[in-house]
Amino acid sequence: AQSVSQHNHHVILSEAASLELGCNYSYGGTVNLFWYVQYPGQHLQLLLKYFSGDPLVKGIKGFEAEFIKSKFSFNLRKPSVQWSDTAEYFCAVNDGANAGKSTFGDGTTLTVKP
Amino acid sequence: GAVVSQHPSWVICKSGTSVKIECRSLDFQATTMFWYRQFPKQSLMLMATSNEGSKATYEQGVEKDKFLINHASLTLSTLTVTSAHPEDSSFYICSAMPRDEQFFGPGTRLTVL
Repeated sequence: AQSVSQHNHHVILSEAASLELGCNYSYGGTVNLFWYVQYPGQHLQLLLKYFSGDPLVKGIKGFEAEFIKSKFSFNLRKPSVQWSDTAEYFCAVNDGANAGKSTFGDGTTLTVKP
Repeated sequence: GAVVSQHPSWVICKSGTSVKIECRSLDFQATTMFWYRQFPKQSLMLMATSNEGSKATYEQGVEKDKFLINHASLTLSTLTVTSAHPEDSSFYICSAMPRDEQFFGPGTRLTVL
C-alpha cells in the first residue's frame, strides 16, 4: 500500500522568504506524484505533477518540486512566497495504473505574514 | 481546465435521515468519478470509485450500504449517506479525470445533528 508523509504540519513564513515543504512516499513501483493547493474556502487545485522525465518539475505560481527517487521524496519549493500563498498544501501519489486513486498526505498549512 | 461541481455546498441534517450529494462534470464526460472524505485538519481519504453504468468500487473499510453511490450518467455521480449519524459529519469531495489530471469539486460540508 502507498503512504505519503508530509513532515511539516504548519509553516509560518514572512513574505519573500523561501519555502520548502517536505513530502516522502512509500511505494516500490512506478509512481505519479502531485502537489495540490487548497486556498481558504476553495477547492483543491493542482500545483504541479510528475509522471516521468525531468525530475525537476515546474508548476503554476512559481512553485517547483524535485523528485528524488533514491529518497522517495517530492519536496515542494518556492524561492519567494507571497501573502496570497497562504493555503493548505497536499502531496499525493498514485501508481499510474489507478490514476484517480491517489493517496494524500495529511497536508501542510502555510501561513505567510505580510 | 475542467470543471467539477457539487451540490449542495453544505447540508445540515438530523440523525437517522439520508442525505444525497451530487457531483457533476460540467464541461466533459466522466465515466469514472472518485469520492473522498476529509476530516478537519486531516487528509483526503478515498472512499470509492464511481463507475458509470456499473457498481461502485469501495475502498477497504467503507460501508457500501452506508454510502450509496450511483453514477447514472456520464456527467453525474451521487453519494447518498444513509441513516446519517454525527460521526458521518465531514467534508465530502468528488473528483474526475477527463485526461491525466484529477479535477476536484468544491466539496460538500455535511453536519449531522
